Amino acid sequence: QVQLVQSGAEVKKPGSSVKVSCKASGGTFSSYAISWVRQAPGQGLEWMGGIIPIFGTANYAQKFQGRVTITADESTSTAYMELSSLRSEDTAVYYCVAAAGNWYFDLWGRGTLVTVSS
Amino acid sequence: EIVMTQSPATLSVSPGERATLSCRASQSVSSNLAWYQQKPGQAPRLLIYGASTRATGIPARFSGSGSGTEFTLTISSLQSEDFAVYYCQQYNNWPPVTFGGGTKVEIK
Repeated sequence: QVQLVQSGAEVKKPGSSVKVSCKASGGTFSSYAISWVRQAPGQGLEWMGGIIPIFGTANYAQKFQGRVTITADESTSTAYMELSSLRSEDTAVYYCVAAAGNWYFDLWGRGTLVTVSS
Repeated sequence: EIVMTQSPATLSVSPGERATLSCRASQSVSSNLAWYQQKPGQAPRLLIYGASTRATGIPARFSGSGSGTEFTLTISSLQSEDFAVYYCQQYNNWPPVTFGGGTKVEIK
């Protein structure tokens, strides 16, 4: 059974960038499309973008265009999400999620808390 | 972008009772609709996809219905572990996929 193992919590200054990783444990990315979904404190779920590792091209929500970069390294079964120009509103838990077929999410990582504070 | 609207925002139900949650799409998403359950401090869990297909390991008391723009998640007899927040998500028109704002099911 594939599990998604995310990197640890981060504290960042406004204006800086953060890069969160997500490694598939117990399997590979080959069968999945990987997305990133975030959840601000007490709020709902927000899709940021996704990538199909075997194709390598990412798609992004318009809200995050130009500020987010999603990549995947098939050799290490690891996906990355980098968010730049951080502001306090970016404080959230960032989930790595995987879709085995269509774009609904069978697998979820435990989440990475990113706190943006001066 | 397709907007997903869930109602009610909060649903108060007694254990053993039926809960009915609604999700409406701003335009047709066919049957490309999923439901998730999220408990405090946990990641969401997939319950339903294709509007009505239960994910692996999901109890039969959870059922989904609908197509087009109107969808329903029904929990036939609420158990203590079912009190949580539920989200719908469309994946018909992506990017982006979009989520509803959630319905919190609380103990009455």
